[in-house]
Amino acid sequence: GAVVSQHPSWVICKSGTSVKIECRSLDFQATTMFWYRQFPKQSLMLMATSNEGSKATYEQGVEKDKFLINHASLTLSTLTVTSAHPEDSSFYICSARVGGLADSKNIQYFGAGTRLSVL
Amino acid sequence: QKEVEQNSGPLSVPEGAIASLNCTYSDRVSQSFFWYRQYSGKSPELIMSIYSNGDKEDGRFTAQLNKASQYVSLLIRDSQPSDSATYLCALLILTGGGNKLTFGTGTQLKVEL
Repeated sequence: GAVVSQHPSWVICKSGTSVKIECRSLDFQATTMFWYRQFPKQSLMLMATSNEGSKATYEQGVEKDKFLINHASLTLSTLTVTSAHPEDSSFYICSARVGGLADSKNIQYFGAGTRLSVL
Repeated sequence: QKEVEQNSGPLSVPEGAIASLNCTYSDRVSQSFFWYRQYSGKSPELIMSIYSNGDKEDGRFTAQLNKASQYVSLLIRDSQPSDSATYLCALLILTGGGNKLTFGTGTQLKVEL
């Protein structure tokens, strides 16, 4: 399958600071990437859809000014958690789709995830 | 009603047995269904995709889809301790912004020696 690289895998930061997470598709171009958040013993919740060259589409209840997404190229999307607070501590996972947005058979491959702990 | 429902488990099976994982969904338009495996502290890994009614086999895994009854299942034959993980059912749901992958809460599988 396709390879999606996510970095860093684990970050600890102080409350009020910002954290940037990178997601790269290594062997394919991804016009669309996705950012998920997963709290312990819960399922993945989609935060936003990242579109290359345009603004991200955020899910209801996700603050776009707090979770900044930049999809600068066909292989890189970044998520910046601004002014992080302890309640932002979670497992953040990116995903890249192989195939077009409307393609009903396209597959999503996931990065390894970033565990964020805000003190 | 949740869009994708799974029994959270844990489902315990002895080594070598068949593990049967089930998932029901509410969206009648969905055409694409997936099973992901997630080990504790790790991200999901694609196990199977299925798009048509019936069975699809890949090694020890068989996915079964019944669109009329709106369920999809995953059978794992000859279960191994390394199969112990949470299995996430997911489907593509058509929205105004395109297809979005929607996950169930997952079923925890424990394969016991």
